[in-house]
Amino acid sequence: AQSVTQPDIHITVSEGASLELRCNYSYGATPYLFWYVQSPGQGLQLLLKYFSGDTLVQGIKGFEAEFKRSQSSFNLRKPSVHWSDAAEYFCAVGARGSARQLTFGSGTQLTVLP
Amino acid sequence: DAGVTQSPTHLIKTRGQQVTLRCSPKSGHDTVSWYQQALGQGPQFIFQYYEEEERQRGNFPDRFSGHQFPNYSSELNVNALLLGDSALYLCASSTDPGRSYEQYFGPGTRLTVT
Repeated sequence: AQSVTQPDIHITVSEGASLELRCNYSYGATPYLFWYVQSPGQGLQLLLKYFSGDTLVQGIKGFEAEFKRSQSSFNLRKPSVHWSDAAEYFCAVGARGSARQLTFGSGTQLTVLP
Repeated sequence: DAGVTQSPTHLIKTRGQQVTLRCSPKSGHDTVSWYQQALGQGPQFIFQYYEEEERQRGNFPDRFSGHQFPNYSSELNVNALLLGDSALYLCASSTDPGRSYEQYFGPGTRLTVT
């Protein structure tokens, strides 16, 4: 069974600073990987996804993530954070083949200081 | 193009009661998944419906059941409510099969059990 670990429960950065949110997964083969963002009282919005090919993927709102097979990681990055990026971020893994469920990490809450 | 819609937005029930939550998928989507998100946690997969059949199920008791209608909309039913069922219930829609595991989430239904 797959699993996802987001080691950082809460991260605080200043506006304009760079950001990296960590995600480690456990899965026997190459998984499908996703990053979602959730604002208070809202559903989940997909930021980016990795299925295959280029291991550096670009997403919406200036986010990118890099798939590193050797480290079982899929960290999310943004070069310059905006106040509107304050939200909760979830990494998720989907198994290839017949399984279609997403397994989510417990999330990282991002606070942006002015 | 309407995205995924869910109703109601909020719901308060008493222990032992039954509840029905509703979801309309994004236009063009035929697969609906349900997730439970407890406070401070990531979403957990309940089950997925495709062609009006439950295709996959997560680790949830039989008190949780669902249905998918010919127009692809779906219902989640929870019987004999427990305090621990209080959570945000998210519906996600996608297309099938295999083109992608990208799931689009609705805003959720906040269920409070007292």
